[in-house]
Amino acid sequence: QVQLVESGGGLVKPGGSLRLSCAASGFTFSDHYMSWIRQAPGKGLEWVSFTSSSGTYTKYADSVKGRFTISRDNDKSSLYLQMDSLGADDTAVYYCARDKSAVTAYDYWGQGTLVTVSS
Amino acid sequence: DIQVTQSPSSLSASIGDRVTITCRASQGIAGSLAWYQQQPGKAPKLLLFAASRLESGVPSRFSGSGSGTGYTLTISSLQPEDFATYYCQQYYSNPNTFGQGTKLEIK
Repeated sequence: QVQLVESGGGLVKPGGSLRLSCAASGFTFSDHYMSWIRQAPGKGLEWVSFTSSSGTYTKYADSVKGRFTISRDNDKSSLYLQMDSLGADDTAVYYCARDKSAVTAYDYWGQGTLVTVSS
Repeated sequence: DIQVTQSPSSLSASIGDRVTITCRASQGIAGSLAWYQQQPGKAPKLLLFAASRLESGVPSRFSGSGSGTGYTLTISSLQPEDFATYYCQQYYSNPNTFGQGTKLEIK
């Protein structure tokens, strides 16, 4: 069965960095676009970034552009999100999600990892 | 960016009721719309995509319709496990955008 397991969240000070990972299993990872979506405490869902199946094409929300970098390792079936220059507004649960097909709906989600930016 | 507005933001209903949630996009999205259900503390779950196509394993009491800028999610007969927050999402253009959510509560 399809599984997505995020890790790497935690408490970080403003201006700090964090790298999230998402380990995928149960499907051919290299066939799918993958995305990061976040949810601030008590708030709605916000798309953050996606990467094409090969990793050559990426896009970012304006709120994170220039600070976050998405990447993937298809040999390891893993997705990553490098987050730099973090601010309080980045506090959220971060989900990795599988695109059902390129840039469409998300048919599988991880359980999420909480990132808290606070001094 | 395409703005997506859901209504209502909250809704109280009883077991067995029929409920409808509406999603309106700021421009036409040609049916490129998905609906998700989120239980407290859990990840969202895909219910429907392409406005009206039921995701595998989702009960048939969930249905979707609409075109252009207006879309609806209907639950034909509420079950206890349906009380949750629902989100729509447009994927017609990047960035994908979500509605603000509709919290469905037990009356």
